[in-house]
Amino acid sequence: GAGVSQSPSNKVTEKGKDVELRCDPISGHTALYWYRQSLGQGLEFLIYFQGNSAPDKSGLPSDRFSAERTGGSVSTLTIQRTQQEDSAVYLCASSLAARSVWTFGPGTRLLVL
Amino acid sequence: GNSVTQMEGPVTLSEEAFLTINCTYTATGYPSLFWYVQYPGEGLQLLLKATKADDKGSNKGFEATYRKETTSFHLEKGSVQVSDSAVYFCALSDQNGQNFVFGPGTRLSVLP
Repeated sequence: GAGVSQSPSNKVTEKGKDVELRCDPISGHTALYWYRQSLGQGLEFLIYFQGNSAPDKSGLPSDRFSAERTGGSVSTLTIQRTQQEDSAVYLCASSLAARSVWTFGPGTRLLVL
Repeated sequence: GNSVTQMEGPVTLSEEAFLTINCTYTATGYPSLFWYVQYPGEGLQLLLKATKADDKGSNKGFEATYRKETTSFHLEKGSVQVSDSAVYFCALSDQNGQNFVFGPGTRLSVLP
């Protein structure tokens, strides 16, 4: 497609359940980023992929969070044993290369009850 | 480490008023600077950018000048419209395009 897509657009889950969030970057974009935006907060960096490798995982808030990227394309962010404080909008962005301008996806709004 | 500080919002203006949203940064080397905008219900979009000192980024009537001496990248618009109501994020990346850091965002509301 023409832009970055994310799915699902909205997810409501119960505390303790696992969730998977998906990001489809723009075709050919080698760099992919995950951020989250909590209510009333700014953007919080989670993880950065260059190709399939993640040179910077420093932003993952706990070991319940993990992410992978396969084929240099689709990325999945997994949150295990969700907690209410995980409720946020999770944003994915991709860029042609590390120094290029990013394009953001529409985000996945996660609500943990 | 690198950081970005923005003026806190919310900012409420009347249509056709002058807008300034302050942004200052702390970074080593020569970062690139960005303003992103998030309209209600939409994802983030790049508004403008500047990659070296004294560069001016501009788009949709918005401008920001990369001031290395004051480590600032203030966003300005001479006459805001209701449609400019959104959250504005100042951001920087290091000279390798990594270590991207966003400010907390400033919510702008423009009243008719």
